[in-house]
Amino acid sequence: ETGVTQSPTHLIKTRGQQVTLRCSSQSGHNTVSWYQQALGQGPQFIFQYYREEENGRGNFPPRFSGLQFPNYSSELNVNALELDDSALYLCASSRGLAGVEQYFGPGTRLTVT
Amino acid sequence: GENVEQHPSTLSVQEGDSAVIKCTYSDSASNYFPWYKQELGKGPQLIIDIRSNVGEKKDQRIAVTLNKTAKHFSLHITETQPEDSAVYFCAAVSAGGGTSYGKLTFGQGTILTVHP
Repeated sequence: ETGVTQSPTHLIKTRGQQVTLRCSSQSGHNTVSWYQQALGQGPQFIFQYYREEENGRGNFPPRFSGLQFPNYSSELNVNALELDDSALYLCASSRGLAGVEQYFGPGTRLTVT
Repeated sequence: GENVEQHPSTLSVQEGDSAVIKCTYSDSASNYFPWYKQELGKGPQLIIDIRSNVGEKKDQRIAVTLNKTAKHFSLHITETQPEDSAVYFCAAVSAGGGTSYGKLTFGQGTILTVHP
């Protein structure tokens, strides 16, 4: 176990709705990265938060947004859900930025109908 | 940005055999290369990593090699066991500037099946 927790485990939403996913980072880690993993594919980088600031973003539209809190936990918000947003959403925590180990949580399985 | 290619997509071996998974990367600024194991219904688990100033690293039955000139790195699992069956992902992290800094770029994954 990595010490990274995510909630909820599973979620079913309807197209057009909004969703908030949560991640608690491992103790001592100040960086959280979010990834989207479609079925049968590798995780794709969404964005990264370092000390409460967004530090890098992948090729995802603005309806994907996030927050990091003073205790380094984080939220991922997705507005106007589309069917293609159905995926496993993973967060990873690390101590610092590039070149450091990133430890993943178990993920949140989002299904959009 | 970085692009990581991983081969093979599936690998089937007999228990006790060795397994090798290969990856290539495109960004010469990448300097950190982790490998993850993902079991069904779970998040990726970091199993070994290597940095660009090292050519090889070993941890019990698992080893990773890196060839910076050719921009490829490989995972070697010896004496495979049925519990090694999972999806394995290679990844690269760029130390270059811009929005790619610090992000993991993953390969497409290899489904490893170890038959008893």
